Amino acid sequence: AQTVTQSQPEMSVQEAETVTLSCTYDTSENNYYLFWYKQPPSRQMILVIRQEAYKQQNATENRFSVNFQKAAKSFSLKISDSQLGDTAMYFCAFMGLTSGTYKYIFGTGTRLKVLA
Amino acid sequence: EPEVTQTPSHQVTQMGQEVILRCVPISNHLYFYWYRQILGQKVEFLVSFYNNEISEKSEIFDDQFSVERPDGSNFTLKIRSTKLEDSAMYFCASSEALGGQPQHFGDGTRLSIL
Repeated sequence: AQTVTQSQPEMSVQEAETVTLSCTYDTSENNYYLFWYKQPPSRQMILVIRQEAYKQQNATENRFSVNFQKAAKSFSLKISDSQLGDTAMYFCAFMGLTSGTYKYIFGTGTRLKVLA
Repeated sequence: EPEVTQTPSHQVTQMGQEVILRCVPISNHLYFYWYRQILGQKVEFLVSFYNNEISEKSEIFDDQFSVERPDGSNFTLKIRSTKLEDSAMYFCASSEALGGQPQHFGDGTRLSIL
């Protein structure tokens, strides 16, 4: 069974600085997708970024980028120029493609606080 | 931008009562999901639904749970005979297609069982 591990329950970063959130996963599949979702205090789940496992190039979305290491099964999220609005819970999610249902398996989350 | 909408935003129910959580997925989406998040814990998959039937369900999704798409727009989660441990945030999600397409989440329904 697939598992997703986020080893940092809480992190903080100064505004305008860079922070990296870690995520590791375990799977026997070769074809899958990885996601980062942001959950602000309002409790919405907002897609931050997506990475296809077959792509070697790391995904980027404005200030958000990932470091995808397939062999190490690592998928970290880097937030550059952190803003107060980035304060939220961040969940890493795995989606395997062989089960046929494409459900998400989430990690336990990292609570990020951006300090003014 | 189209959104997944969930109603109500907060539901308070006595233990043992039935509750129905409602979701309107994005109109051209074909795949629907329910997830649950107990306070302070991770988001857990409950069930996926496609072509008017359940595609997969988790161990959490036991006989007290059911899902239905009663018309062309709504997607409901029914919990019969609620228990205290059913208190959680319930998220509905939908996706246009499979194969890695991101799921779009609603804002969730906070269910409180008294």
